[in-house]
Amino acid sequence: DVKVTQSSRYLVKRTGEKVFLECVQDMDHENMFWYRQDPGLGLRLIYFSYDVKMKEKGDIPEGYSVSREKKERFSLILESASTNQTSMYLCASSSYLNSGRETQYFGPGTRLLVL
Amino acid sequence: RKEVEQDPGPFNVPEGATVAFNCTYSNSASQSFFWYRQDCRKEPKLLMSVYSSGNEDGRFTAQLNRASQYISLLIRDSKLSDSATYLCVVNIPRGSTLGRLYFGRGTQLTVWP
Repeated sequence: DVKVTQSSRYLVKRTGEKVFLECVQDMDHENMFWYRQDPGLGLRLIYFSYDVKMKEKGDIPEGYSVSREKKERFSLILESASTNQTSMYLCASSSYLNSGRETQYFGPGTRLLVL
Repeated sequence: RKEVEQDPGPFNVPEGATVAFNCTYSNSASQSFFWYRQDCRKEPKLLMSVYSSGNEDGRFTAQLNRASQYISLLIRDSKLSDSATYLCVVNIPRGSTLGRLYFGRGTQLTVWP
C-alpha cells in the first residue's frame, strides 16, 4: 500500500525559529513535492524534486528551503518562521511516467501554527 | 491569471441528485487532466483521470473539451459519502522535462439526507 508520512500532524513554533518538516515515502518514487494549503487559496507548490540532491522552486519558495539527501526523504525548512507561514503543509510523491499521467500521493499534512 | 479556475461553490444537494462541476484551464499546452477529492481535514486523493474521449467510473463521469479548455465532472445519484472538496488538476509540461501539476482551488460539495 502506498504510503507518504510526515513527521508531525500538528506543530506550534515561535516567530524566528527554524522549523524542519520531514516527509518520507516508501514507494521508491523519484518525484517529491511540498505544498501549502490555505483557505480560499488552494494548494500552492513551494518546492519540488525530481531526483536525489535535485530541487526546483515552485510558485512560492520565498522563506523556505528544501533538502533531498535520500530518495525517500524530502525535508522542508523554514529558516526563520513567520506568522504568515501558519498553514497546512502537504508533502506528495509520484513516480516518473513520460506520459505525465503519474498520480501524486499525499501525506496526511502538518498543521503549523507560528506564534 | 490562474492556471486552473473552478467555481468554489458550495454546492448543497440532496441524496440522489445529479451535480456537475466545471473547470477551465488557461494553458493550451496542458497535457493531462485529473479530478482529485479532498475530504475535510484530510489529504487530496486521486478520484479519476480525464481522457479526451470522456470517461466514466461508476457514478462519476469526466469530460474534456480541449477546444474550450474546459473540464467537467458529473456525479449521478449523489451519496452522503460524496461530500468533499473536488479539485480540478492539470499537468503542464515544461520543455522536454516532466511537467508539474496545477491545482484548482476546489469545489465544495455537501450532500444532505
